[in-house]
Amino acid sequence: DAKTTQPPSMDCAEGRAANLPCNHSTISGNEYVYWYRQIHSQGPQYIIHGLKNNETNEMASLIITEDRKSSTLILPHATLRDTAVYYCIVSRKYNFNKFYFGSGTKLNVKP
Amino acid sequence: GAGVSQSPSNKVTEKGKDVELRCDPISGHTALYWYRQRLGQGLEFLIYFQGNSAPDKSGLPSDRFSAERTGESVSTLTIQRTQQEDSAVYLCASSFTGEADTEAFFGQGTRLTVV
Repeated sequence: DAKTTQPPSMDCAEGRAANLPCNHSTISGNEYVYWYRQIHSQGPQYIIHGLKNNETNEMASLIITEDRKSSTLILPHATLRDTAVYYCIVSRKYNFNKFYFGSGTKLNVKP
Repeated sequence: GAGVSQSPSNKVTEKGKDVELRCDPISGHTALYWYRQRLGQGLEFLIYFQGNSAPDKSGLPSDRFSAERTGESVSTLTIQRTQQEDSAVYLCASSFTGEADTEAFFGQGTRLTVV
């Protein structure tokens, strides 16, 4: 499965949009982009996933570039509770046993 | 239950002792996964159960690690002759498999400290 590259950390002001980038230049045609987050001392939490089209749910939006080599997770109005490590994972569907959780991006939401 | 449940939440054990970690998946989930997370690092896949198929053990780091699952219910991860390097949070996740969109749901983990 393809690996991903994320910045180690980002800051965001409370109430503003948080845009978390992810590069996955070696993604294959049947691989999805998944986003999970891990709040301190908790298990990872699913956020969103997509294949080619942009996706939106109650938590976030996922923007995938046309060539699918990168994507951006958008938290439209970040709150202090969104402070967490965000993992971008590329994998075939249902291949959770092949999920590669790298170091992720530590998002710090500041008042 | 409503989510994936793991027990104990914390375990301190002496080097050389055996430990058992338990995972109760979400009812109806056919797939179950174990991961390990060392301090400040990402998750490492350990083992995967899917229904009655042979488990994918490709992530187990040594023969001291083993896991069992009966049907689509509880799973137990056993670490024999624990070493200090085994200290980590052990996370369990479960999911449906099939044609519908799905995701993996994680438990809160068991924090294992080997002293």
